[in-house]
Amino acid sequence: GESVGLHLPTLSVQEGDNSIINCAYSNSASDYFIWYKQESGKGPQFIIDIRSNMDKRQGQRVTVLLNKTVKHLSLQIAATQPGDSAVYFCAEKTEAAGNKLTFGGGTRVLVKP
Amino acid sequence: DTGVSQDPRHKITKRGQNVTFRCDPISEHNRLYWYRQTLGQGPEFLTYFQNEAQLEKSRLLSDRFSAERPKGSFSTLEIQRTEQGDSAMYLCASSLATGLTDTQYFGPGTRLTVL
Repeated sequence: GESVGLHLPTLSVQEGDNSIINCAYSNSASDYFIWYKQESGKGPQFIIDIRSNMDKRQGQRVTVLLNKTVKHLSLQIAATQPGDSAVYFCAEKTEAAGNKLTFGGGTRVLVKP
Repeated sequence: DTGVSQDPRHKITKRGQNVTFRCDPISEHNRLYWYRQTLGQGPEFLTYFQNEAQLEKSRLLSDRFSAERPKGSFSTLEIQRTEQGDSAMYLCASSLATGLTDTQYFGPGTRLTVL
């Protein structure tokens, strides 16, 4: 079936630098996208979401960009901190397919001091 | 803490035994979801409830799995005759249905190990 995937499995970033995590999706009917952060031994934590009628949304230190033309989603983290070290998942939902989220495989972000 | 809670956090069982997990959603959330996550993978949808009605089940949910939400609040997920392939993290999430963007908030998960 349709799936959501990530380009990079591991991202190493220097503390204080900006991080960019990418995600490609294949279902052109996807209309809602979410980024989650998951720390070891914990459940996914909501970071930010975006609807398909938007191309950018900003939160605190995070920005999500959506390019529907190439079916690409990215999460930008400004001034990356050690506490940002985690696995990041993008997920999508399609209204026609119900309320389930379809997750990608995750990108691990390692912040170097 | 007013987040989603799950119990137990860890469960070790022998193959063939039955196990039951509990999820308490965020108060007032009308939707409750179960996902399964294996190491290095993203969560996979199993089933969800709106109030007490189970509205969708994944093909991943074999006949050995059953979920209930009898009063529209907490939910239980039971696995009968466990197999080693059932070893995974079982995640519960809840949301307040407000249209397309009903954000799902996850609990800490129950890690199941089947020996």
